[in-house]
Amino acid sequence: QKEVEQNSGPLSVPEGAIASLNCTYSDRGSQSFFWYRQYSGKSPELIMFIYSNGDKEDGRFTAQLNKASQYVSLLIRDSQPSDSATYLCAVNIGTGNQFYFGTGTSLTVIP
Amino acid sequence: NAGVMQNPRHLVRRRGQEARLRCSPMKGHSHVYWYRQLPEEGLKFMVYLQKENIIDESGMPKERFSAEFPKEGPSILRIQQVVRGDSAAYFCASSLFIPGQGALNTEAFFGQGTRLTVV
Repeated sequence: QKEVEQNSGPLSVPEGAIASLNCTYSDRGSQSFFWYRQYSGKSPELIMFIYSNGDKEDGRFTAQLNKASQYVSLLIRDSQPSDSATYLCAVNIGTGNQFYFGTGTSLTVIP
Repeated sequence: NAGVMQNPRHLVRRRGQEARLRCSPMKGHSHVYWYRQLPEEGLKFMVYLQKENIIDESGMPKERFSAEFPKEGPSILRIQQVVRGDSAAYFCASSLFIPGQGALNTEAFFGQGTRLTVV
């Protein structure tokens, strides 16, 4: 069974701190990994993707992938109140191009 | 270059009526996914379609729900004889798939969703 697990939170961090969001997946055949942000009442929007082991940085966001541990994380540096949202981890196993989503982690950045 | 388009944005149906939700994928995308989201819950996969084919419908309820993605026109999610428990946000996403490239460059992009309310 293909599962993507996230802590549901809520996760609260003070403004300016680093927020760390974690995700584990069960299918070792997973090839690509995505982080989506969803504001309340809105649709998910893609913020980062990563295919290779290691870190990938984009502005204040860093995605980290460890395929041996089946673990992917998202770090948000200098967190802002506007980062308050639910963050969804998604995995594509490649075969059949199917996406599997975690249930999301709710993040609140406290001013 | 329009993104994924869903309509209607809001849909109200009485119990027992039919609901039809439409999704036009991004230009060039041939893969469509439908998800349901209840308030304060995560995205639940429903069905995955390519043009004229249902690839995976393991998340679809066995009765009353159906989906199609015809050769021409949008993908349709159809709910017959709606009940109050069908009230939710229904999101469609699309992606590009290049044979032989595996999962690379296959990000899924979401539409704005259709919020179905059954009264």
